Amino acid sequence: NAGVTQTPKFQVLKTGQSMTLQCAQDMNHNSMYWYRQDPGMGLRLIYYSASEGTTDKGEVPNGYNVSRLNKREFSLRLESAAPSQTSVYFCASRDLGQMRGYTFGSGTRLTVV
Amino acid sequence: AQSVTQPDIHITVSEGASLELRCNYSYGATPYLFWYVQSPGQGLQLLLKYFSGDTLVQGIKGFEAEFKRSQSSFNLRKPSVHWSDAAEYFCAVASSGNTPLVFGKGTRLSVIA
Repeated sequence: NAGVTQTPKFQVLKTGQSMTLQCAQDMNHNSMYWYRQDPGMGLRLIYYSASEGTTDKGEVPNGYNVSRLNKREFSLRLESAAPSQTSVYFCASRDLGQMRGYTFGSGTRLTVV
Repeated sequence: AQSVTQPDIHITVSEGASLELRCNYSYGATPYLFWYVQSPGQGLQLLLKYFSGDTLVQGIKGFEAEFKRSQSSFNLRKPSVHWSDAAEYFCAVASSGNTPLVFGKGTRLSVIA
């Protein structure tokens, strides 16, 4: 099925460990986004990529890095995980100027202990 | 910078009753406005959107929303709530079709018999 695929769905890390969250879309969208969702905080933008080859910081970029590997894939890396990064992470995509809003992945639930 | 306020953290309604979820935004021009729904453990699904034209927009699942420029509001309504509507609802705003969405903190809807 067409859409946004995130892996893994669940992950437990120890403080200081690193990991990469993967996101891929097969809709030929130009823009991709990473958000984190915390209780009572809604969704906050971490990083986004308006088009292949570009990335920009969002509201809460500290502690994260991203790579737009190609048009399909946009990964999020935690170099040294901290308990404050325990969250649900959502990847989303859309076409530039498209009026359809985002297509979201199903999320990655990350726990840092 | 854009911001979105959803004043109600949690709302409980009886099945069959009408529903209105409030959303206020802060932005100088007419923004692009969205409502998303998130069922427990799921990603976000687009309910409806507004960019221009008729200020009353229809969405999926029987939802509608009305854009009121004078009140900077985009409230979501449904005439008769079903138990399956229990979920979290997010209002979101963007200044254009190319800028990232800014989300409100969400309103959790509970439906009682």
